[in-house]
Amino acid sequence: DTGVSQDPRHKITKRGQNVTFRCDPISEHNRLYWYRQTLGQGPEFLTYFQNEAQLEKSRLLSDRFSAERPKGSFSTLEIQRTEQGDSAMYLCASSSGTSGGPGGPDTQYFGPGTRLTVL
Amino acid sequence: AQSVTQPDIHITVSEGASLELRCNYSYGATPYLFWYVQSPGQGLQLLLKYFSGDTLVQGIKGFEAEFKRSQSSFNLRKPSVHWSDAAEYFCAVGSSSGGYNKLIFGAGTRLAVHP
Repeated sequence: DTGVSQDPRHKITKRGQNVTFRCDPISEHNRLYWYRQTLGQGPEFLTYFQNEAQLEKSRLLSDRFSAERPKGSFSTLEIQRTEQGDSAMYLCASSSGTSGGPGGPDTQYFGPGTRLTVL
Repeated sequence: AQSVTQPDIHITVSEGASLELRCNYSYGATPYLFWYVQSPGQGLQLLLKYFSGDTLVQGIKGFEAEFKRSQSSFNLRKPSVHWSDAAEYFCAVGSSSGGYNKLIFGAGTRLAVHP
């Protein structure tokens, strides 16, 4: 168990460019989450995958954002036509699912994050 | 709507002193509560969690937290702070819907430790 990994750790880009981030969850975890954290704030939920299915997207995830998890393992988050307001830490988390059935508790483990700076 | 409030943005304590970080939540059902710690430029590390049962939960690094339903609180405590505890601490509630939990975080409390 090597934990959740994210790549790259840092990304600097110019406004208008596209960027893609990768997340590799803990190997046996079928649930994967993306969060965004801006300076001085707590993380905010962006989207959730169960296996390869994207089951929820926050309204924070504008049309310029797309996330995939094609084989139910790693996930990618792409931002098209980046804006300065997209500058943030993008965090990925994974979990093995809720205990005690649907709606039960679920423990999420986070990766180190990708810090995006849009110039 | 579900929410988490961490009233203290910054706290400074002396090394060896006791610590209490406050967390209040607003959630209609039984909450699943978490404390995470974040060092500068790093991801979040789980300190402890409360799902049910004993309202005093023990975590890693000598931290504990107490769930008080009547006060809608889940405060984090440590009897003696070490310099390495300097970090940002986030309280979160698991919003249970659709068979999974998305986390709703507070804004965090930044802890500074004086030698």
